[in-house]
Amino acid sequence: AQSVTQLDSHVSVSEGTPVLLRCNYSSSYSPSLFWYVQHPNKGLQLLLKYTSAATLVKGINGFEAEFKKSETSFHLTKPSAHMSDAAEYFCVVSVTGYSTLTFGKGTMLLVSP
Amino acid sequence: ETGVTQSPTHLIKTRGQQVTLRCSSQSGHNTVSWYQQALGQGPQFIFQYYREEENGRGNFPPRFSGLQFPNYSSELNVNALELDDSALYLCASSLSTSGRAHEQFFGPGTRLTVL
Repeated sequence: AQSVTQLDSHVSVSEGTPVLLRCNYSSSYSPSLFWYVQHPNKGLQLLLKYTSAATLVKGINGFEAEFKKSETSFHLTKPSAHMSDAAEYFCVVSVTGYSTLTFGKGTMLLVSP
Repeated sequence: ETGVTQSPTHLIKTRGQQVTLRCSSQSGHNTVSWYQQALGQGPQFIFQYYREEENGRGNFPPRFSGLQFPNYSSELNVNALELDDSALYLCASSLSTSGRAHEQFFGPGTRLTVL
């Protein structure tokens, strides 16, 4: 069985400051890990994915995440927040490639001017 | 290229009724997955369809059922609606080749309210 724990339900940052959204995973097998973003009234969008290649993964809109097996973590970072980054972010694990996705509960990112 | 579309966008039903939600997959995709997202929660996997057959199921009762059609569009049916079925229902399509699924693309969802 696999699961993810998103350590913060809400994260507040000021525009231009760094973003850190934390995720720990549990998996019996080598996992694939993803971060998705959900803007209000819009579908989920894939930000980035780790599928056993490079441990530092770069995604869209300046986001990146690092897979740390020893810490079972896959934290999402961005050097400088933008107002348009305000949304809900989901950490996702799969042990079957993209087939069955298990989502965390989400972290709401709030960006203030 | 048309993305994943879902209909209707919103729906209100009463307890005990039945509902059908629809999903049109992205062009070229042959696999459809359905998820339930309760308020304040992450999406939960309901089931997946590949080549018109159920290809994996999450922890949902049999009153949740589905279909996939030859054009790869899909329906989610829920019988005997309960208050806890109120949620956003998300459809995702993907391309599976040689039994391996690729990236899932999500639709905007159908908001179901059960009164």
